[in-house]
Amino acid sequence: EIVLTQSPGTLSLPPGERATLSCRASPTISRIYLAWYQQKPGQAPCLLVYDTSNRATGIPDRFSASGSGTDFTLTISRLEPEDSATYYCQQYGSSPRTFGQGTKVEVK
Amino acid sequence: QVHLVQSGAEVTKPGSSVKVSCKASGGTFSSYPVSWVRQAPGQGLEWMGKIIPVRGILDYAEKFQGRLTVTADKSTDTVYMVLSSLTSEDTAVYYCARDYNSYHEYWGQGTLVTVSS
Repeated sequence: EIVLTQSPGTLSLPPGERATLSCRASPTISRIYLAWYQQKPGQAPCLLVYDTSNRATGIPDRFSASGSGTDFTLTISRLEPEDSATYYCQQYGSSPRTFGQGTKVEVK
Repeated sequence: QVHLVQSGAEVTKPGSSVKVSCKASGGTFSSYPVSWVRQAPGQGLEWMGKIIPVRGILDYAEKFQGRLTVTADKSTDTVYMVLSSLTSEDTAVYYCARDYNSYHEYWGQGTLVTVSS
């Protein structure tokens, strides 16, 4: 089973700042099968990024993602208040699919 | 736009089973896999398993083998998840998700299952 470790646990930044979220895989993820999801309190998760770096439909371009092998990153270039949420990475290259434990982003 | 509608909240006793449904509207499950993901209170996301309705192909996480049954009714575009031998640790919100190339593209609204004596 691939274990995903996200850091930091919580990130608190003012609006307009840049947020960098990390997702580390062990062992390595084959190819590009990593996704990022955003979850706001009381809501279902929604897809942000798939295949490591492709934004899902309707996701603003201030969200970008990259990575390979064991290290993956989600960047929010200019934080807005509505970006306050918990962000999860997920690998889907092998079964069982696994999620990271999440990074909570607070924009205030 | 695909919309997944799940059945309502359930309260059930330890040792029993629960059945949650997930119906597609504005689209179809057809050949797309449907996964089940759960989230215990205040915790992260946990993938449980998936079905490819049109082919009946199943893939369950080992943790749930023997307790999880996922089925599909192609005539009504509805997928069902049954989890048996429930304990308090199964109290969670259960989500269905329609997959595309194995990532979860569309999500249901979630169903709270509470296991309590």
